[in-house]
Amino acid sequence: GNSVTQMEGPVTLSEEAFLTINCTYTATGYPSLFWYVQYPGEGLQLLLKATKADDKGSNKGFEATYRKETTSFHLEKGSVQVSDSAVYFCALSDPTYNFNKFYFGSGTKLNVKP
Amino acid sequence: KAGVTQTPRYLIKTRGQQVTLSCSPISGHRSVSWYQQTPGQGLQFLFEYFSETQRNKGNFPGRFSGRQFSNSRSEMNVSTLELGDSALYLCASCGQKNTEAFFGQGTRLTVV
Repeated sequence: GNSVTQMEGPVTLSEEAFLTINCTYTATGYPSLFWYVQYPGEGLQLLLKATKADDKGSNKGFEATYRKETTSFHLEKGSVQVSDSAVYFCALSDPTYNFNKFYFGSGTKLNVKP
Repeated sequence: KAGVTQTPRYLIKTRGQQVTLSCSPISGHRSVSWYQQTPGQGLQFLFEYFSETQRNKGNFPGRFSGRQFSNSRSEMNVSTLELGDSALYLCASCGQKNTEAFFGQGTRLTVV
């Protein structure tokens, strides 16, 4: 079946520190991979995506590379800001069927201190 | 382009009552899916509708149901509410050729 595992939080960093949030997946087909971010009291916002192996998704300084050999899609940012404090969700969808059924990880809360 | 609109934003209901939540997708999107988010279970898929037909269903009891109208707006209904139904309910819309889904802000349901 399809599933996503991501590192437990919370992750607490100082401003300008390097961020890595680990995400691994299990999939029966060839999934598309996503990172979504959720700010307090809000819904989910797409942060970045990758639709095939070796693709790199990037947005707002965040990056993640689709690694089929390690079934991973780790999120990285070189220098975090206080405004990056939020909960981050790794997710996959199986485009063989449709893009609108997602399997989410448990979420990782990021706290960035000034 | 307007985003995904969910109404109402907040609801408080009593155990045993029923509730209906609404989701208006992005214009032109025909697929709407629903998710339940709780601190204990995380984000769980409820069901997905495309062109008024349910295409996928998650592992939830029959008290959870939904429908989609010809204008792609979707509703989900929960009958005989239980305390454990307290959650943030999110909907997501997706276009036919898109490779991503767009989420609404959610409806926060509290059952007392």
